[in-house]
Amino acid sequence: DAKTTQPTSMDCAEGRAANLPCNHSTISGNEYVYWYRQIHSQGPQYIIHGLKNNETNEMASLIITEDRKSSTLILPHATLRDTAVYYCIVSLGYQFYFGTGTSLTVIP
Amino acid sequence: GAVVSQHPSWVICKSGTSVKIECRSLDFQATTMFWYRQFPKQSLMLMATSNEGSKATYEQGVEKDKFLINHASLTLSTLTVTSAHPEDSSFYICSASLPDRGEYEQYFGPGTRLTVT
Repeated sequence: DAKTTQPTSMDCAEGRAANLPCNHSTISGNEYVYWYRQIHSQGPQYIIHGLKNNETNEMASLIITEDRKSSTLILPHATLRDTAVYYCIVSLGYQFYFGTGTSLTVIP
Repeated sequence: GAVVSQHPSWVICKSGTSVKIECRSLDFQATTMFWYRQFPKQSLMLMATSNEGSKATYEQGVEKDKFLINHASLTLSTLTVTSAHPEDSSFYICSASLPDRGEYEQYFGPGTRLTVT
Protein backbone atom coordinates (compact mmCIF):
# COMPACT_ATOMS: atom_id res chain seq x y z
CA ASP A 1 0.00 0.00 0.00
CA ALA A 2 1.04 3.58 -0.64
CA LYS A 3 2.71 5.22 2.33
CA THR A 4 2.31 8.80 1.19
CA THR A 5 -0.36 11.48 1.25
CA GLN A 6 -0.49 14.36 -1.17
CA PRO A 7 -2.96 17.15 -1.90
CA THR A 8 -5.37 16.14 -4.63
CA SER A 9 -4.76 19.17 -6.81
CA MET A 10 -2.79 22.39 -7.05
CA ASP A 11 -2.54 25.35 -9.39
CA CYS A 12 0.58 27.31 -10.21
CA ALA A 13 1.13 30.38 -12.35
CA GLU A 14 3.41 29.93 -15.32
CA GLY A 15 6.94 31.05 -14.55
CA ARG A 16 6.51 30.75 -10.81
CA ALA A 17 7.88 28.03 -8.60
CA ALA A 18 5.63 25.05 -7.97
CA ASN A 19 5.99 23.53 -4.52
CA LEU A 20 4.39 20.11 -4.18
CA PRO A 21 4.23 18.67 -0.66
CA CYS A 22 4.19 15.03 0.39
CA ASN A 23 3.70 13.46 3.79
CA HIS A 24 5.35 10.14 4.55
CA SER A 25 5.27 9.93 8.33
CA THR A 26 5.83 6.15 8.46
CA ILE A 27 8.94 6.15 6.30
CA SER A 28 11.64 3.77 7.48
CA GLY A 29 15.33 4.50 7.66
CA ASN A 30 16.32 2.82 4.41
CA GLU A 31 13.45 3.98 2.27
CA TYR A 32 13.99 6.51 -0.46
CA VAL A 33 11.60 9.22 -1.55
CA TYR A 34 10.93 9.15 -5.30
CA TRP A 35 9.03 11.63 -7.41
CA TYR A 36 7.48 10.81 -10.76
CA ARG A 37 5.00 12.61 -12.92
CA GLN A 38 2.48 11.37 -15.44
CA ILE A 39 1.14 13.37 -18.29
CA HIS A 40 -2.22 12.19 -19.52
CA SER A 41 -2.17 8.75 -21.14
CA GLN A 42 1.61 8.38 -20.92
CA GLY A 43 3.91 6.35 -18.71
CA PRO A 44 5.26 8.02 -15.56
CA GLN A 45 8.42 10.05 -15.94
CA TYR A 46 11.18 9.96 -13.35
CA ILE A 47 11.92 13.33 -11.77
CA ILE A 48 14.17 12.92 -8.76
CA HIS A 49 14.79 10.83 -5.66
CA GLY A 50 16.58 11.17 -2.35
CA LEU A 51 17.24 9.52 0.98
CA LYS A 52 18.14 12.18 3.54
CA ASN A 53 19.83 15.07 1.85
CA ASN A 54 18.22 17.61 -0.40
CA GLU A 55 18.71 16.85 -4.05
CA THR A 56 18.69 18.94 -7.20
CA ASN A 57 18.82 18.06 -10.86
CA GLU A 58 17.97 19.74 -14.12
CA MET A 59 14.27 19.18 -13.60
CA ALA A 60 13.60 19.89 -9.95
CA SER A 61 14.74 20.12 -6.37
CA LEU A 62 13.75 17.77 -3.59
CA ILE A 63 13.66 19.05 -0.03
CA ILE A 64 13.38 16.38 2.69
CA THR A 65 12.72 17.41 6.26
CA GLU A 66 15.24 16.45 8.89
CA ASP A 67 12.89 13.88 10.45
CA ARG A 68 12.19 12.58 6.91
CA LYS A 69 8.46 12.56 7.55
CA SER A 70 7.70 14.92 4.71
CA SER A 71 9.22 16.29 1.55
CA THR A 72 8.61 18.96 -1.06
CA LEU A 73 9.23 18.81 -4.77
CA ILE A 74 10.10 22.18 -6.25
CA LEU A 75 9.77 22.99 -9.94
CA PRO A 76 11.64 26.31 -10.03
CA HIS A 77 9.99 27.88 -13.06
CA ALA A 78 6.80 26.06 -13.97
CA THR A 79 5.78 25.90 -17.62
CA LEU A 80 2.55 24.76 -19.23
CA ARG A 81 4.27 21.48 -20.07
CA ASP A 82 4.64 20.77 -16.36
CA THR A 83 0.89 20.22 -16.09
CA ALA A 84 0.64 16.59 -14.94
CA VAL A 85 -0.11 14.31 -12.02
CA TYR A 86 2.85 14.18 -9.64
CA TYR A 87 3.43 11.09 -7.55
CA CYS A 88 5.50 10.89 -4.39
CA ILE A 89 6.58 7.33 -3.63
CA VAL A 90 8.40 5.91 -0.64
CA SER A 91 10.27 2.73 -1.37
CA LEU A 92 13.28 0.66 -0.56
CA GLY A 93 13.89 0.95 -4.26
CA TYR A 94 12.11 -2.15 -5.38
CA GLN A 95 8.33 -2.28 -5.67
CA PHE A 96 6.57 1.04 -6.07
CA TYR A 97 3.11 1.52 -4.62
CA PHE A 98 1.57 4.64 -6.08
CA GLY A 99 -0.75 6.88 -4.10
CA THR A 100 -3.31 9.18 -5.63
CA GLY A 101 -0.79 11.90 -6.50
CA THR A 102 -1.26 15.65 -6.98
CA SER A 103 -2.75 17.00 -10.17
CA LEU A 104 -0.76 20.14 -10.93
CA THR A 105 -2.22 22.65 -13.35
CA VAL A 106 0.07 25.40 -14.59
CA ILE A 107 -1.97 28.44 -15.48
CA PRO A 108 -0.87 30.87 -18.22
CA GLY B 1 18.51 8.32 -20.26
CA ALA B 2 17.14 4.82 -19.91
CA VAL B 3 14.42 4.04 -22.42
CA VAL B 4 11.66 1.48 -22.09
CA SER B 5 9.34 0.64 -24.95
CA GLN B 6 6.04 -1.20 -25.12
CA HIS B 7 4.29 -2.85 -27.98
CA PRO B 8 1.59 -2.45 -29.02
CA SER B 9 0.66 1.05 -27.89
CA TRP B 10 -3.00 0.17 -28.17
CA VAL B 11 -4.97 -2.97 -28.94
CA ILE B 12 -8.61 -3.90 -29.35
CA CYS B 13 -9.60 -7.51 -28.92
CA LYS B 14 -12.75 -9.54 -28.62
CA SER B 15 -13.91 -11.04 -25.37
CA GLY B 16 -12.44 -14.48 -24.79
CA THR B 17 -9.27 -13.94 -26.77
CA SER B 18 -5.74 -13.50 -25.44
CA VAL B 19 -3.50 -10.49 -25.89
CA LYS B 20 0.28 -10.26 -25.49
CA ILE B 21 2.02 -7.02 -24.52
CA GLU B 22 5.79 -6.64 -24.84
CA CYS B 23 8.04 -4.51 -22.68
CA ARG B 24 11.63 -3.86 -23.72
CA SER B 25 14.50 -1.99 -22.13
CA LEU B 26 16.26 -0.47 -25.11
CA ASP B 27 19.59 0.75 -23.82
CA PHE B 28 20.16 -1.13 -20.59
CA GLN B 29 19.75 -4.57 -19.09
CA ALA B 30 16.96 -4.87 -16.57
CA THR B 31 17.07 -7.79 -14.20
CA THR B 32 13.72 -6.71 -12.83
CA MET B 33 10.66 -5.43 -14.62
CA PHE B 34 7.29 -4.46 -13.20
CA TRP B 35 3.78 -4.47 -14.60
CA TYR B 36 1.12 -1.97 -13.60
CA ARG B 37 -2.50 -1.42 -14.48
CA GLN B 38 -4.26 1.92 -14.48
CA PHE B 39 -8.00 2.47 -14.79
CA PRO B 40 -9.36 5.85 -15.90
CA LYS B 41 -8.85 8.64 -13.37
CA GLN B 42 -7.10 6.26 -11.00
CA SER B 43 -3.53 5.74 -9.92
CA LEU B 44 -1.18 3.02 -11.07
CA MET B 45 -1.65 -0.35 -9.41
CA LEU B 46 1.30 -2.73 -9.22
CA MET B 47 0.31 -6.11 -10.66
CA ALA B 48 3.51 -8.13 -10.58
CA THR B 49 7.27 -8.11 -10.31
CA SER B 50 9.17 -9.95 -13.01
CA ASN B 51 12.71 -11.20 -12.61
CA GLU B 52 14.71 -12.50 -15.52
CA GLY B 53 14.77 -16.27 -15.62
CA SER B 54 12.37 -16.83 -12.74
CA LYS B 55 8.67 -16.83 -12.05
CA ALA B 56 6.93 -13.53 -11.55
CA THR B 57 5.69 -12.45 -8.15
CA TYR B 58 2.09 -11.29 -8.22
CA GLU B 59 0.46 -8.78 -5.95
CA GLN B 60 -2.44 -9.89 -3.82
CA GLY B 61 -5.65 -10.07 -5.79
CA VAL B 62 -3.98 -10.40 -9.20
CA GLU B 63 -4.78 -13.69 -10.93
CA LYS B 64 -1.54 -15.26 -12.08
CA ASP B 65 -3.30 -17.65 -14.43
CA LYS B 66 -5.03 -14.77 -16.15
CA PHE B 67 -2.08 -12.42 -16.41
CA LEU B 68 0.84 -14.52 -17.61
CA ILE B 69 4.23 -12.88 -17.33
CA ASN B 70 7.38 -14.10 -19.01
CA HIS B 71 10.78 -12.48 -18.52
CA ALA B 72 12.94 -14.49 -20.88
CA SER B 73 15.83 -12.07 -21.29
CA LEU B 74 17.39 -9.07 -19.61
CA THR B 75 15.68 -6.74 -22.06
CA LEU B 76 12.25 -8.28 -22.63
CA SER B 77 9.25 -9.06 -20.47
CA THR B 78 5.83 -9.98 -21.79
CA LEU B 79 2.37 -9.80 -20.24
CA THR B 80 -0.34 -12.00 -21.72
CA VAL B 81 -3.91 -11.28 -20.77
CA THR B 82 -5.67 -14.61 -21.26
CA SER B 83 -9.36 -14.96 -22.01
CA ALA B 84 -9.79 -11.22 -21.85
CA HIS B 85 -13.09 -9.71 -20.78
CA PRO B 86 -14.38 -6.14 -20.93
CA GLU B 87 -13.41 -5.57 -17.28
CA ASP B 88 -9.78 -6.17 -18.29
CA SER B 89 -9.90 -3.05 -20.44
CA SER B 90 -7.28 -0.78 -18.96
CA PHE B 91 -3.98 1.01 -19.47
CA TYR B 92 -1.12 -1.42 -18.88
CA ILE B 93 2.30 0.04 -18.08
CA CYS B 94 5.60 -1.69 -17.57
CA SER B 95 8.74 -0.42 -15.94
CA ALA B 96 12.32 -1.60 -15.73
CA SER B 97 14.55 -1.22 -12.74
CA LEU B 98 17.99 0.28 -13.18
CA PRO B 99 20.15 -0.12 -10.13
CA ASP B 100 22.65 2.68 -9.75
CA ARG B 101 25.09 2.56 -6.88
CA GLY B 102 22.55 0.61 -4.87
CA GLU B 103 19.78 3.11 -5.51
CA TYR B 104 17.00 1.87 -7.74
CA GLU B 105 15.23 3.95 -10.31
CA GLN B 106 12.32 2.65 -12.34
CA TYR B 107 11.89 3.74 -15.92
CA PHE B 108 8.44 3.39 -17.35
CA GLY B 109 7.22 2.47 -20.78
CA PRO B 110 4.65 4.57 -22.63
CA GLY B 111 1.84 2.17 -21.78
CA THR B 112 -0.54 -0.05 -23.75
CA ARG B 113 -4.22 0.77 -23.98
CA LEU B 114 -6.26 -2.47 -24.03
CA THR B 115 -9.90 -2.40 -25.02
CA VAL B 116 -11.87 -5.63 -24.85
CA THR B 117 -15.12 -5.65 -26.76
